[in-house]
Amino acid sequence: QVQLVQSGAEVQKPGASVKVSCKASGYTFTNYFMHWVRQAPGQGLKWMGMINPSDGSTSYAQNFQDRVSMTRDTSTSTVYMELSSLRSEDTAVYYCARSWEGGATAYWGQGSLVTVSS
Amino acid sequence: DIQMTQSPSTLSASVGDRVTITCRASQSISSWLAWYQQKPGKAPKLLIYDASNLESGVPSRFSGSGSGTEFTLTISSLQPDDFATYYCQQYNSYPYTFGQGTKLEIK
Repeated sequence: QVQLVQSGAEVQKPGASVKVSCKASGYTFTNYFMHWVRQAPGQGLKWMGMINPSDGSTSYAQNFQDRVSMTRDTSTSTVYMELSSLRSEDTAVYYCARSWEGGATAYWGQGSLVTVSS
Repeated sequence: DIQMTQSPSTLSASVGDRVTITCRASQSISSWLAWYQQKPGKAPKLLIYDASNLESGVPSRFSGSGSGTEFTLTISSLQPDDFATYYCQQYNSYPYTFGQGTKLEIK
């Protein structure tokens, strides 16, 4: 069965970076896109970007363009989302989610809480 | 970017009620729209994709319709498990964008 297992909660200081992982299993890793969505406490869902694990191509939301990097490791079927220059507003749960090309996200990870605090 | 606007933001209803949530896109997205249900502390769950297709395993009381810029999610007879927050999302073009959410509360 399809599973997306994310890394655990993290606490980072303002100005630092965080790297969240999402390990996929139960399907052919390179056949589906992976998206990252975040949700600040009490707020709605915000799409951050996506990566095509087949060739590593990415598309980022403009709000995060300068601070986010999405990468993948095909040998371990893992995608990574790194967010730099963290500020308190980046405190949120970060989700990875799988889609077919041009499709909706049917499978989601469990979420990773990132807290930015001095 | 395509803006997605949901209405209402909050909806109070009773078990057995028929409810409808609306989602409007700032430009045409054809039928590239999904609906998700989210419960507190949980990841979103896909209910409807391509505007009107029911995701496998989702009860048939959920249905979606619309195309272009106007879409609706209908729950034909509310069950206790349906009280949650619902989001629409367009995937016509990057950046994919979500509506602000509709919280469905028990009246």
